[in-house]
Amino acid sequence: ILNVEQSPQSLHVQEGDSTNFTCSFPSSNFYALHWYRWETAKSPEALFVMTLNGDEKKKGRISATLNTKEGYSYLYIKGSQPEDSATYLCASTGGQNFVFGPGTRLSVLP
Amino acid sequence: DSGVTQTPKHLITATGQRVTLRCSPRSGDLSVYWYQQSLDQGLQFLIQYYNGEERAKGNILERFSAQQFPDLHSELNLSSLELGDSALYFCASSYGSGGYEQYFGPGTRLTVT
Repeated sequence: ILNVEQSPQSLHVQEGDSTNFTCSFPSSNFYALHWYRWETAKSPEALFVMTLNGDEKKKGRISATLNTKEGYSYLYIKGSQPEDSATYLCASTGGQNFVFGPGTRLSVLP
Repeated sequence: DSGVTQTPKHLITATGQRVTLRCSPRSGDLSVYWYQQSLDQGLQFLIQYYNGEERAKGNILERFSAQQFPDLHSELNLSSLELGDSALYFCASSYGSGGYEQYFGPGTRLTVT
């Protein structure tokens, strides 16, 4: 069974700050890494799916990188806005399983 | 709105009972995934179907079963319910399997009393 970890557990930043979080996953039997944005009382919203080592994806002010050899992915948010406040989840797929990390809770203070 | 629908939105039932949760995927999506979020836990993967066939299995109890029908909608059956089965159950869909973005439905909140 995969073990996916995320750090930090929570983060408070000021509006306009840039920030980043880490997702660590077992590099063996890796297939894909997913990032989701999850606002309170809503459903998880897909941000990125990455499969190849060195993959970089970008959507607006949010970007992500993937290192499958060492088993980590970074999510970056440039110029954080209050509407970016949410829990950011990563999930690793490998073999017959999808395993989510515990999430990083981001609060952006105006 | 992700395009994934789940019914019912809320369900309250007693221990020992059986319930069925329904999910309709986005138009064109062939994969359906079921997840459970309990009060003190994160999202747990239960099971995935792809085009009618079981594709992957996670931490799904033997009391739980699922199927995907020819029209691609899916049902999750939960039987002999226990208090600990109270949770938010999400369905998600994607076009393919594994390396495709998953689109989550609004969830069904199950309360077992």
